[in-house]
Amino acid sequence: NAGVTQTPKFRILKIGQSMTLQCAQDMNHNYMYWYRQDPGMGLKLIYYSVGAGITDKGEVPNGYNVSRSTTEDFPLRLELAAPSQTSVYFCASREGANYGYTFGSGTRLTVV
Amino acid sequence: EDQVTQSPEALRLQEGESSSLNCSYTVSGLRGLFWYRQDPGKGPEFLFTLYSAGEEKEKERLKATLTKKESFLHITAPKPEDSATYLCAVRVETSGSRLTFGEGTQLTVNP
Repeated sequence: NAGVTQTPKFRILKIGQSMTLQCAQDMNHNYMYWYRQDPGMGLKLIYYSVGAGITDKGEVPNGYNVSRSTTEDFPLRLELAAPSQTSVYFCASREGANYGYTFGSGTRLTVV
Repeated sequence: EDQVTQSPEALRLQEGESSSLNCSYTVSGLRGLFWYRQDPGKGPEFLFTLYSAGEEKEKERLKATLTKKESFLHITAPKPEDSATYLCAVRVETSGSRLTFGEGTQLTVNP
């Protein structure tokens, strides 16, 4: 049982480049989330999904896009990368609203 | 606006020295308070969920308690392997399934 798998683990982007952060879970969870974590700033919600075909914005959605075509996958797209998007990105899923999240191991992104 | 504040930001303990971490919250309609542990370079790991004032949960050397305004994570006789960042998060009635996280307490336990 792999849980939540994120790829890549590390990435360096140049300003203006685009990329997709991949997230896959094998627990058949409907709820999935993307957070970013900056030093001393805690986890901030970017986007979330309550099921295939349904997505919604979190606290800090600007500069990002998501899609949810299957229950398993929830990719995060960065368009026109900016230095402010340098962060560690975590994907998470949960079985239901009253359950704890299962987090992936994160993607460390640097924009230069 | 919902707010979650954790204190202290960092805590250093000697092995065996018990202490508590605090998570205070200002929210409307608490639907759950969650504690997570995060090791360096890894994603947070779920520890506990508390739902109502007076509730307590335990796991090994950790005990979480909840009042109407704050939660405490008590660490009894800690060991070096308890060193990690501890995060708390809240779910409120207006946020659906989303959680709002505090900034965490970085705990270091020296042998």
